[in-house]
Amino acid sequence: GAVVSQHPSRVICKSGTSVKIECRSLDFQATTMFWYRQFPKQSLMLMATSNEGSKATYEQGVEKDKFLINHASLTLSTLTVTSAHPEDSSFYICSARNRGISYGYTFGSGTRLTVV
Amino acid sequence: EDKVVQSPLSLVVHEGDTVTLNCSYEVTNFRSLLWYKQEKKAPTFLFMLTSSGIEKKSGRLSSILDKKELFSILNITATQTGDSAVYLCAVENDYKLSFGAGTTVTVRA
Repeated sequence: GAVVSQHPSRVICKSGTSVKIECRSLDFQATTMFWYRQFPKQSLMLMATSNEGSKATYEQGVEKDKFLINHASLTLSTLTVTSAHPEDSSFYICSARNRGISYGYTFGSGTRLTVV
Repeated sequence: EDKVVQSPLSLVVHEGDTVTLNCSYEVTNFRSLLWYKQEKKAPTFLFMLTSSGIEKKSGRLSSILDKKELFSILNITATQTGDSAVYLCAVENDYKLSFGAGTTVTVRA
C-alpha cells in the first residue's frame, strides 16, 4: 500500500540550530505534500502545503522564513526548522496526497522535535 | 473561517460499552469528511464519507454523515482497551484537510 516515510522520528537539538525533517513517498508520486504541527493534547494544525517544483503555500501565522519547505521532486519534501527555539518543540507530521488510494491522503509517522 | 468541532473532548468507558463521537463542521467547498484514529504517532485512516445517510462500517466501528445538518458521528460498539486513542475528524475542502481538536477515548478493563 501507499507509504510515506518520515525521518527522523525523534530529534533533540540545541536552541539556535536548524533541523531538517524529510518525507518520502515510497511507492507513489506525491505532487502535493502537507506539513502539520501538533502540540500536546491538541489537534493537527496545517502549517503549509507544498507542490512539487513550486513555492509552498503557508497558512496564516506560520513564518515562512522559519519553516523552510522544499519539494524538489515528486517523492521528497523537506521541512527545515531554522534557528529553533524551545517553543518550536512539537510533533511534526507530513501527509501526501495519493490519487491511487480511495481517501487520497497518506501520513508519515511523525517527528518529535525537542529544542533544549 | 473553516471550523471543525468535535465533542465530547474526552470520555472514559468500560470494556463492552458503546461510544458515540460527534463532529460538526462549517467549511466552504466541502469535499469529504474523514475519521482517523491516533494512538502515539501519526493518524491512521478509518473512514471517508462523501454522501449523506450512507453508513460505513468496519468491524465494530461505523460512521455516517449528514450533509444537511453538517455533522457526522462515529460509533464504536463493544469497546475494547485497544480502542483507547484520540479520534480525529477532518474535513476536506479545496484539496486540504482541516482537523477538529479530537476526542480522547479511554476504555477501562
